[in-house]
Amino acid sequence: AQKVTQAQTEISVVEKEDVTLDCVYETRDTTYYLFWYKQPPSGELVFLIRRNSFDEQNEISGRYSWNFQKSTSSFNFTITASQVVDSAVYFCALVSGYSTLTFGKGTMLLVSP
Amino acid sequence: DAGVIQSPRHEVTEMGQEVTLRCKPISGHNSLFWYRQTMMRGLELLIYFNNNVPIDDSGMPEDRFSAKMPNASFSTLKIQPSEPRDSAVYFCASSLGQTETQYFGPGTRLLVL
Repeated sequence: AQKVTQAQTEISVVEKEDVTLDCVYETRDTTYYLFWYKQPPSGELVFLIRRNSFDEQNEISGRYSWNFQKSTSSFNFTITASQVVDSAVYFCALVSGYSTLTFGKGTMLLVSP
Repeated sequence: DAGVIQSPRHEVTEMGQEVTLRCKPISGHNSLFWYRQTMMRGLELLIYFNNNVPIDDSGMPEDRFSAKMPNASFSTLKIQPSEPRDSAVYFCASSLGQTETQYFGPGTRLLVL
């Protein structure tokens, strides 16, 4: 069985602070894919990133960066210089060829001005 | 290119009534997923279709729920009879395959009185 744990239920920061959202996963499969989605207050689910289990290179996209470490089964997400528009619930998710997409319970990020 | 389209966006109905939710996946995507999101249970997969065939319906709560995909461009999720505990946001998502990125529709917010 697969599992995704987002231990941080809610994080509050002030604008321009850096913030890291943690994601720890469990799977017995050797080939799997990890995702992050953003759900702003308007409610839609927005895809942010997909990584496969064989690519441990960190990725940066503007103010967003992702740190994938197989040794600790973690796929953490960092927002640099946070902005109010980053306020949302962020979901980490995992899928493999043997199971469907499993979501974590989400981390609510509140960025205040 | 249009994203996943869902209708209606909001539905208010009375207990015992039939509810039909509709989804049009992204053209060319052969996998379609129905999810339910509630505060208590988070995001739950209800059913997954591949090439219009239901592959995994283990998440369908009970016989009151049914889903169909008569062709590659249309799917329905029906609840009959509806109950107050069915109140939730129902998302449809589509992808190029089970492990590929899922793109979500805007969701249908269902309230059963």
